[in-house]
Amino acid sequence: GAVVSQHPSWVICKSGTSVKIECRSLDFQATTMFWYRQFPKQSLMLMATSNEGSKATYEQGVEKDKFLINHASLTLSTLTVTSAHPEDSSFYICSARASMNTEAFFGQGTRLTVV
Amino acid sequence: TQLLEQSPQFLSIQEGENLTVYCNSSSVFSSLQWYRQEPGEGPVLLVTVVTGGEVKKLKRLTFQFGDARKDSSLHITAAQPGDTGLYLCAGEYGNKLVFGAGTILRVKS
Repeated sequence: GAVVSQHPSWVICKSGTSVKIECRSLDFQATTMFWYRQFPKQSLMLMATSNEGSKATYEQGVEKDKFLINHASLTLSTLTVTSAHPEDSSFYICSARASMNTEAFFGQGTRLTVV
Repeated sequence: TQLLEQSPQFLSIQEGENLTVYCNSSSVFSSLQWYRQEPGEGPVLLVTVVTGGEVKKLKRLTFQFGDARKDSSLHITAAQPGDTGLYLCAGEYGNKLVFGAGTILRVKS
């Protein structure tokens, strides 16, 4: 199957700093990428949907100025957690798909710990 | 209120037992997917059901899609410790892929 690579797999950062997470589709062009957040033993909560070349659509309750999403190319989307705080510590997962109603492939996730 | 209601949330059973996980919604979905996720990894797609009333089998796993395309179930026969994990249903809603709350399954040997 198609491969979606997420980097880094884990990151520890100091409170107040910003962290960038990359999501790459390695063998297909992804018109849409999704960013999810997952707390321990819970499901994936959709944060935002990004389409290549346009602004991301954020879910209700997700601060767009705090979670900056860029989808500048068909193979790369980035999520930047700005001015991170301990409550932002979580498992962040991206997924990508070529077009609507096609299979979405998931990255391996990024464990963010803010100290 | 979640778009997809998944139950049960937790399930702890003995090896060899059968189990069913349910995914229900008041909305109609063009398709529903079932995923399995291991700790520290991304979800892995098990199956996609598209047609109302469809039944798909994957070894000891049986997936059903309701006739009205509002609900789905996952049935595991003779569960094994290797089936332990988080099972998630997901559905296409607009241009978004949304997930149910998940079912944590633990199979004890």
